[in-house]
Amino acid sequence: AQSVAQPEDQVNVAEGNPLTVKCTYSVSGNPYLFWYVQYPNRGLQFLLKYITGDNLVKGSYGFEAEFNKSQTSFHLKKPSALVSDSALYFCAVPHTGRRALTFGSGTRLQVQP
Amino acid sequence: KAGVTQTPRYLIKTRGQQVTLSCSPISGHRSVSWYQQTPGQGLQFLFEYFSETQRNKGNFPGRFSGRQFSNSRSEMNVSTLELGDSALYLCASSLVEGQEQFFGPGTRLTVL
Repeated sequence: AQSVAQPEDQVNVAEGNPLTVKCTYSVSGNPYLFWYVQYPNRGLQFLLKYITGDNLVKGSYGFEAEFNKSQTSFHLKKPSALVSDSALYFCAVPHTGRRALTFGSGTRLQVQP
Repeated sequence: KAGVTQTPRYLIKTRGQQVTLSCSPISGHRSVSWYQQTPGQGLQFLFEYFSETQRNKGNFPGRFSGRQFSNSRSEMNVSTLELGDSALYLCASSLVEGQEQFFGPGTRLTVL
């Protein structure tokens, strides 16, 4: 079964510092991978996706993600964190045979001013 | 293009009642998926519809059901509500299998 894991429940970073939110995956075949963000009392917003091609994927709001096949990882990164980036972040993979996604457990990002 | 819309945004019900939630996908999207989000269980897949057919169902009891109409709008129903059904219910639509889904704002259901 396709799955993703987010090893950190929470990540704390100071504003202006780089941030990384970790995700590892377990999929058969070529992986499609996604990152979503959720602000309080809101639905999920799509940030970026990896389908194939360049290992560094650029997305919305200055976020990017690095696909690493040997480490089966797809970490979310941003060079300079903003307080407004504080939110819940989910890594996801399509479930085999369906359009719905299987999500990781989520990582809460807290950016301190 | 309008995004995914969900109604109502908030609901308060009592145990034993039933509830119906509605979702309108992005225009042109024929696939609709439903998820339940709780602090303890995270995001869990409920079911998925495509062209009025349920394609997949998650591991939820039969009290949870859904349907999709010819205009791709979808409803989900929960009967005999339990306290544990309190959650944020999210609907998402997509255009192509395996690609990203677009989510609505969710319906916050509180069961008292």
